[in-house]
Amino acid sequence: GEQVEQLPSSLIVQEGASVLINCSYTDSASVYFPWYKQEPGKRLQFIIDIRSNMERKQTQRLTLLFDKKTKHLSLHITATQPGDSAIYFCSASMSYNQGKLIFGQGTKLSIKP
Amino acid sequence: EAAVTQSPRNKVAVTGGKVTLSCNQTNNHNNMYWYRQDTGHGLRLIHYSYGAGSTEKGDIPDGYKASRPSQENFSLILELATPSQTSVYFCASGDAGQGNERLFFGHGTKLSVL
Repeated sequence: GEQVEQLPSSLIVQEGASVLINCSYTDSASVYFPWYKQEPGKRLQFIIDIRSNMERKQTQRLTLLFDKKTKHLSLHITATQPGDSAIYFCSASMSYNQGKLIFGQGTKLSIKP
Repeated sequence: EAAVTQSPRNKVAVTGGKVTLSCNQTNNHNNMYWYRQDTGHGLRLIHYSYGAGSTEKGDIPDGYKASRPSQENFSLILELATPSQTSVYFCASGDAGQGNERLFFGHGTKLSVL
């Protein structure tokens, strides 16, 4: 079945720096890739998504790039703030309208003030 | 703001005992999901539901049952709890109104089976 891998598993950066989180998947049948963020003590929350017919999506300080050939995604966060400290999860789905997701292991991002 | 409420937030159970985890959503979403989160595994789908009366097996359903008696409520049942079911369990409801289903999660239930 589908497998989703994330790298790195953890990351520590200075406030204001940019970060890159990489994600790869194995099943070419996956068509939808939402990302979720889990801040300490808070619920997982949706942050950005992309469909397999797109190459790039941007919202505020987040840019998500998608390469269908290599089955690879990367999440770029610019001008990091302390509130960006969280675990970031990449996920993959074979459907746009169902929340049957395969999650990566997560990337723990820590922002140093 | 979409609201998903799980109870209890923490639970200690004995091996072989029955455990019921409850989830309530006030979003009027048709789809609901139960995931578990373990270190090094991310989240894994246990059961899901498309609406009242419906339950479907996810990727790791063994040892779990689910019940969806109403649009708002979705329960996860461990008939005979085992230590391997010690985990953090998340309930979510899904909204595909924008074309892509986004999940709204509860705070999670930390279950320890001794």
